[in-house]
Amino acid sequence: EADIYQTPRYLVIGTGKKITLECSQTMGHDKMYWYQQDPGMELHLIHYSYGVNSTEKGDLSSESTVSRIRTEHFPLTLESARPSHTSQYLCASSGTYSNQPQHFGDGTRLSIL
Amino acid sequence: RKEVEQDPGPFNVPEGATVAFNCTYSNSASQSFFWYRQDCRKEPKLLMSVYSSGNEDGRFTAQLNRASQYISLLIRDSKLSDSATYLCVVHSGFQKLVFGTGTRLLVSP
Repeated sequence: EADIYQTPRYLVIGTGKKITLECSQTMGHDKMYWYQQDPGMELHLIHYSYGVNSTEKGDLSSESTVSRIRTEHFPLTLESARPSHTSQYLCASSGTYSNQPQHFGDGTRLSIL
Repeated sequence: RKEVEQDPGPFNVPEGATVAFNCTYSNSASQSFFWYRQDCRKEPKLLMSVYSSGNEDGRFTAQLNRASQYISLLIRDSKLSDSATYLCVVHSGFQKLVFGTGTRLLVSP
């Protein structure tokens, strides 16, 4: 079983607040990812990282930012939350080689009022 | 054209039926392929990797057809618990995994 953890699991918060979604993995994986998924819809990659101090934007434009200061930690931040940010955010990690699958955390369900 | 395409379904089948899903991919340089399962409002979970020679895991069989650029998933003796969305995942040439939109399976009693 993969060891990747996301907190919080659920967050309901008002517009304009700064939010940080946490993601940690204990597998020593170099690669980490953030996806956004609305109910019944497909996954959209919003950020990824290939290692410490490496971050890239994904396929879907997002107002969020990420950082990768430590291998095991890949937090996502929204400086000023808006109702349009309401969604599920899924963090994943994978090993170095291309034939290795991604393992997902349980996700954070975010609701902005 | 999307890089990975799947029939969204839903596929409605009775318990005990055999069901198969296909998934096509556009990047001929893709090297790694996976099937994931996602339950409603949950995270995707790896079901199985897809190897060139095809592979089987219990009731599940995955196959790869490089010439036609598709992978398939066959589920035999469907169970109610197999009801989920099945995501086809392809490793693109740009070091990213590309997820399909998923095929929804509903197994009924």
